[in-house]
Amino acid sequence: AQKITQTQPGMFVQEKEAVTLDCTYDTSDQSYGLFWYKQPSSGEMIFLIYQGSYDEQNATEGRYSLNFQKARKSANLVISASQLGDSAMYFCAMRERDSGTYKYIFGTGTRLKVLA
Amino acid sequence: DAGITQSPRYKITETGRQVTLMCHQTWSHSYMFWYRQDLGHGLRLIYYSAAADITDKGEVPDGYVVSRSKTENFPLTLESATRSQTSVYFCASGDRQNGPYGYTFGSGTRLTVV
Repeated sequence: AQKITQTQPGMFVQEKEAVTLDCTYDTSDQSYGLFWYKQPSSGEMIFLIYQGSYDEQNATEGRYSLNFQKARKSANLVISASQLGDSAMYFCAMRERDSGTYKYIFGTGTRLKVLA
Repeated sequence: DAGITQSPRYKITETGRQVTLMCHQTWSHSYMFWYRQDLGHGLRLIYYSAAADITDKGEVPDGYVVSRSKTENFPLTLESATRSQTSVYFCASGDRQNGPYGYTFGSGTRLTVV
């Protein structure tokens, strides 16, 4: 079963508008972390934002916010006031504990295109 | 230079050959990871290491071998390359198991097996 599900292979958004990228996850752990990464066309992976499973408030980092709904096991990324430079692939990831160590599992990604 | 370096950036090899992808980090991070990125699959974990001489299998370890004799190096070896191993390979490192610390990724190695 998929641990991290991103159901939107591609999204379009108009410049200056907000966009939500969906992410659902599956874990039986009580303690876990959720992350979003951006991958521009140049290929590097850029860490954007983190949400801990015990955090009661949604994480925010500048124009990025994470809409965390624990009961629904969702961790959607919201980008406000989209810019052309936001066009990229976005990956949701979960850090989970496995036999005393930690590892990250990634979703399949959402390709975002910002339109001028 | 501080950071995480992967080499080579691009590699073409023939089916059946052994090839090693290198990963070097300068932060002395305890954790290091290898992922492969394929269209439609996102990033899939191949192997990871919590410390020198400690390695574990990820989701897709078959056909790969890793070692970690030194904290800073985590080479990935394809023992007998197959076309299905054509992919972009990312190495990542990190030093915190808890808290808001994302991994730092290398620039990737694009491997083509012909």
